[in-house]
Amino acid sequence: ETGVTQTPRHLVMGMTNKKSLKCEQHLGHNAMYWYKQSAKKPLELMFVYNFKEQTENNSVPSRFSPECPNSSHLFLHLHTLQPEDSALYLCASSPRLAGGQETQYFGPGTRLLVL
Amino acid sequence: AQTVTQSQPEMSVQEAETVTLSCTYDTSESNYYLFWYKQPPSRQMILVIRQEAYKQQNATENRFSVNFQKAAKSFSLKISDSQLGDTAMYFCAFMLTSGTYKYIFGTGTRLKVLA
Repeated sequence: ETGVTQTPRHLVMGMTNKKSLKCEQHLGHNAMYWYKQSAKKPLELMFVYNFKEQTENNSVPSRFSPECPNSSHLFLHLHTLQPEDSALYLCASSPRLAGGQETQYFGPGTRLLVL
Repeated sequence: AQTVTQSQPEMSVQEAETVTLSCTYDTSESNYYLFWYKQPPSRQMILVIRQEAYKQQNATENRFSVNFQKAAKSFSLKISDSQLGDTAMYFCAFMLTSGTYKYIFGTGTRLKVLA
C-alpha cells in the first residue's frame, strides 16, 4: 500500500442522501487531489489542495463539496447526487505541487453507486 | 488546452515477451513532465516511470523504459520480459511545470499478460 487510505471503499446512496468520502495520507505530503474515474474516460481532476488551500476547482458541480482541514486529511461531501455521478473516486497526494515533486500517490478509491 | 491520447484500449502479450504501449499528447508548451501510471485490478494506481521534457535521455526503470520523441509529441512505454504481475491498466499523464499544475490523463490501455 502507498500510504494513502480512503474510506469507505464502497458506497451506495440514494439521490437525496448526504454522505462523505474520507482520504488520509501518512506520507507527509502537502498537496492532495480528488479525481473521478469513470469507465472508458480519462481520469477527471476535480479538486486540488496545496497546504490546505484549494488551488483548483475543475468546474465541478456544487453537489460535490471538498474540505481539507489539514495537509493529511481530505474529504469530499456529497449531496443530491445523480446516477451519472456513479464512479470510482480516487484521492491522491504529492509532496508538493511543483519543483520536481509532483509524483502522485493514489489511494485505493471509493466505488460510489448512486441509485 | 493539453490533451493526451492512448490509442490502444486493450493489448495482450505473452509472458517474457516485450510490449510497447503508445501515448501521444498535444501542447504548445515546452516545459512539462510525462508519466506512466499502472493500476492493477482492484489495486492502487502507482507510478511506473516519469520523464522531464527538458531531458533528452529516455527514462528507464528496470524492465520499463520510454521512447520520448518531443518533436513528435510521443511518449511510449516499453515493457520488457513481461510478467503476469504487469497485468493492469496503464495510464499516460501529462503535467505542465508551471501554471495550473494539474495532470491530464489519457483513457488508459488495458494490458493483459498471458501465461
